[in-house]
Amino acid sequence: IAGITQAPTSQILAAGRRMTLRCTQDMRHNAMYWYRQDLGLGLRLIHYSNTAGTTGKGEVPDGYSVSRANTDDFPLTLASAVPSQTSVYFCANATGGSVGELFFGEGSRLTVL
Amino acid sequence: GEDVEQSLFLSVREGDSSVINCTYTDSSSTYLYWYKQEPGAGLQLLTYIFSNMDMKQDQRLTVLLNKKDKHLSLRIADTQTGDSAIYFCAERGSGTYKYIFGTGTRLKVLA
Repeated sequence: IAGITQAPTSQILAAGRRMTLRCTQDMRHNAMYWYRQDLGLGLRLIHYSNTAGTTGKGEVPDGYSVSRANTDDFPLTLASAVPSQTSVYFCANATGGSVGELFFGEGSRLTVL
Repeated sequence: GEDVEQSLFLSVREGDSSVINCTYTDSSSTYLYWYKQEPGAGLQLLTYIFSNMDMKQDQRLTVLLNKKDKHLSLRIADTQTGDSAIYFCAERGSGTYKYIFGTGTRLKVLA
């Protein structure tokens, strides 16, 4: 059972380059999220999608864009990467129901030089 | 806005109890969670508590919620080296799937 698959696992990128982090789920959950994790700052929400065809901005959306063309895929794009976007990026989805458990991918470590 | 705070580090000896604390500001928080992150991995749900509960126990884990003080704690009894990880507190309001995470507490268990 894959759950959530993220790619790439790790990437070094020159500043100014465009980069897309891929996220695919096989769980058919409606809600999906992108977080970045930075030491001392915890997880911060970048963008989210409640269902296919809709997206919304989180806490730190600047410099990032997302799309949700179907239920399974939720790519995150950095149009022109900057060093402050060096981070570990996690894609997650959420079950429905009262508990609303989040399931996370393994993360994508991005370094922008 | 909403905020969730945790201390960054905790060190305990193997066999002792660990207590990880969390404070939050959103009084409308309905669901409170503890997630565990092992090195190089994503987060996994450890346990959760609804806001109408004061305490929840699950094997070695005890969650205490003080709604008046907006304080949540996670107690791990008989802490083992395998418990070494980062523990995140998170909260969510009713009717929303917007989760707010704390900074995470890195637990180090000394043999």
